[in-house]
Amino acid sequence: DQQVKQNSPSLSVQEGRISILNCDYTNSMFDYFLWYKKYPAEGPTFLISISSIKDKNEDGRFTVFLNKSAKHLSLHIVPSQPGDSAVYFCAAAGRGYSGGGADGLTFGKGTHLIIQP
Amino acid sequence: AAGVIQSPRHLIKEKRETATLKCYPIPRHDTVYWYQQGPGQDPQFLISFYEKMQSDKGSIPDRFSAQQFSDYHSELNMSSLELGDSALYFCASSLRTSGSAGNEQFFGPGTRLTVL
Repeated sequence: DQQVKQNSPSLSVQEGRISILNCDYTNSMFDYFLWYKKYPAEGPTFLISISSIKDKNEDGRFTVFLNKSAKHLSLHIVPSQPGDSAVYFCAAAGRGYSGGGADGLTFGKGTHLIIQP
Repeated sequence: AAGVIQSPRHLIKEKRETATLKCYPIPRHDTVYWYQQGPGQDPQFLISFYEKMQSDKGSIPDRFSAQQFSDYHSELNMSSLELGDSALYFCASSLRTSGSAGNEQFFGPGTRLTVL
């Protein structure tokens, strides 16, 4: 039973355009969401996160939007660059001890983003 | 900036052997996590430690055990290895006392375990 779902295994976007990666979750106990980028043979690299008390968080070219009622979040990358080509994982965390992180993350299966020149 | 260090990077073992994976968290991070990623799969949470005590447990088989030492490094011990244990094993660390930002886990490069 996949509690975090990334329904698009791959996404192709032209360089300079906006990339939108989507993620849905089913567990209402999740209250912190993260996006990771992963290259082959490397560990996931943290990109951006959002707490359930917010609906938007922005960091440079990356913006994450959270729609709690729909249990949906998305990652926007604008403008997309060739170096953004990688697998992007959506991850979720539950309510850890004292609100801080102690729980393992639940990952989606990832979306392979391909930026075309 | 210092990152999470894992050793070894690659390990080949035979069925029924044991393996020990090591993880050195980012300096001053107080929480360590272990994940297993099978081929074409998403990382699956195994176990975590905060201040040398087990804090959360995921889908870790009984054949596996882990601990965190006084210097905060952690070891994952795997016994009676099976073919299905072949996977990438990631360690991650975070600073739990930073509140909700403690959910931001920083991953190491992983150890690729191959069981023959």
